[in-house]
Amino acid sequence: GEDVEQSLFLSVREGDSSVINCTYTDSSSTYLYWYKQEPGAGLQLLTYIFSNMDMKQDQRLTVLLNKKDKHLSLRIADTQTGDSAIYFCAEDAGNMLTFGGGTRLMVKP
Amino acid sequence: SAVISQKPSRDICQRGTSLTIQCQVDSQVTMMFWYRQQPGQSLTLIATANQGSEATYESGFVIDKFPISRPNLTFSTLTVSNMSPEDSSIYLCSVISDRDSNQPQHFGDGTRLSIL
Repeated sequence: GEDVEQSLFLSVREGDSSVINCTYTDSSSTYLYWYKQEPGAGLQLLTYIFSNMDMKQDQRLTVLLNKKDKHLSLRIADTQTGDSAIYFCAEDAGNMLTFGGGTRLMVKP
Repeated sequence: SAVISQKPSRDICQRGTSLTIQCQVDSQVTMMFWYRQQPGQSLTLIATANQGSEATYESGFVIDKFPISRPNLTFSTLTVSNMSPEDSSIYLCSVISDRDSNQPQHFGDGTRLSIL
């Protein structure tokens, strides 16, 4: 079955870049997503990438997809304290999302 | 994207009771889903809410415990029945506006449920 894995924790200094990594197993995934969850809040869709793309950039966010290795990454440039949250990657195979365990990003001033 | 409202946003309930969570969308959507997020965990899909028919449940979830309604294209409810402390979780509604155009899933803010 599908299994999406992420590292549990990442700590960076304000102004640095953050890179959050994710591996997935379902090669039939159509889309791959990044969601952000702030304390006490629901999930906010940050960005997503179609499986036939290698890269997608949206302001401070860059998503890289290596389909051969089934590896997805989210880079946040100029990380701010407001970026502190849990980041979930998810793969979509036929509208059903399978989520990773989430990466807690801590941004130190 | 669609605006998704969940009610209640949080509740504290006694064991053995049931609670119905509502999910209202400001526009018609093709698909609606219910997820559970246990404390410190990721999200797990409970079921797909089907308009006008029974929900499609994932492995480990049954209709008697989590009855779901979807009377129209903008509204769904999830009931957590005969609650126990193990049901303490965040329950989230998500929607896909138009399945045929490969739209992403958007989530509501969730309902934080604590069972004493």
